[in-house]
Amino acid sequence: DVKVTQSSRYLVKRTGEKVFLECVQDMDHENMFWYRQDPGLGLRLIYFSYDVKMKEKGDIPEGYSVSREKKERFSLILESASTNQTSMYLCASARMRGQGSYGYTFGSGTRLTVV
Amino acid sequence: AQTVTQSQPEMSVQEAETVTLSCTYDTSENNYYLFWYKQPPSRQMILVIRQEAYKQQNATENRFSVNFQKAAKSFSLKISDSQLGDTAMYFCAFSSQGGSEKLVFGKGTKLTVNP
Repeated sequence: DVKVTQSSRYLVKRTGEKVFLECVQDMDHENMFWYRQDPGLGLRLIYFSYDVKMKEKGDIPEGYSVSREKKERFSLILESASTNQTSMYLCASARMRGQGSYGYTFGSGTRLTVV
Repeated sequence: AQTVTQSQPEMSVQEAETVTLSCTYDTSENNYYLFWYKQPPSRQMILVIRQEAYKQQNATENRFSVNFQKAAKSFSLKISDSQLGDTAMYFCAFSSQGGSEKLVFGKGTKLTVNP
């Protein structure tokens, strides 16, 4: 069964900590994405990557960075966690453009609480 | 930039009845893809149905069907014979033909199926 795996389901961190959220996919997808999901705001794109070592900013990149050293792994980094980064974080992957658009496969999400 | 609007933040339906969720989008493109995703409570987001804009025929997946009106830029989801397991957040999403695989999401509709 193909899947996108996020390393933690729930995470509690302190203000100012550096936080790593990990995402691994086993579908050999070129594209990977990080969204945050907040009630009433839907899904907002933080960063995405269409190839190893490539990254592009989404709509709300401030306070975040990403790393993609291997095709299957896409990490989201909160450089200095703040309480307004308390949210649900969703990772997703998708096949390369040119093969049609079949949407995303999502991970189960990481609910991050910053205290 | 493309936008996706879901005008119904919450809806409810009785078990076995039919419900329609609304979605409108704004784009200047002629070819694109539209999706409905389902996110059950505390569970993973999954793809419900996919529509290619250049296809006239409305997509159908078992009890789920869409009413795609390209000129009106409308993409509603109809759920027939609603089941308790259909209780979830539903997100409408848009992907353009060119460029990256980025999806633009609506803010979601929370559907509750009542016994």
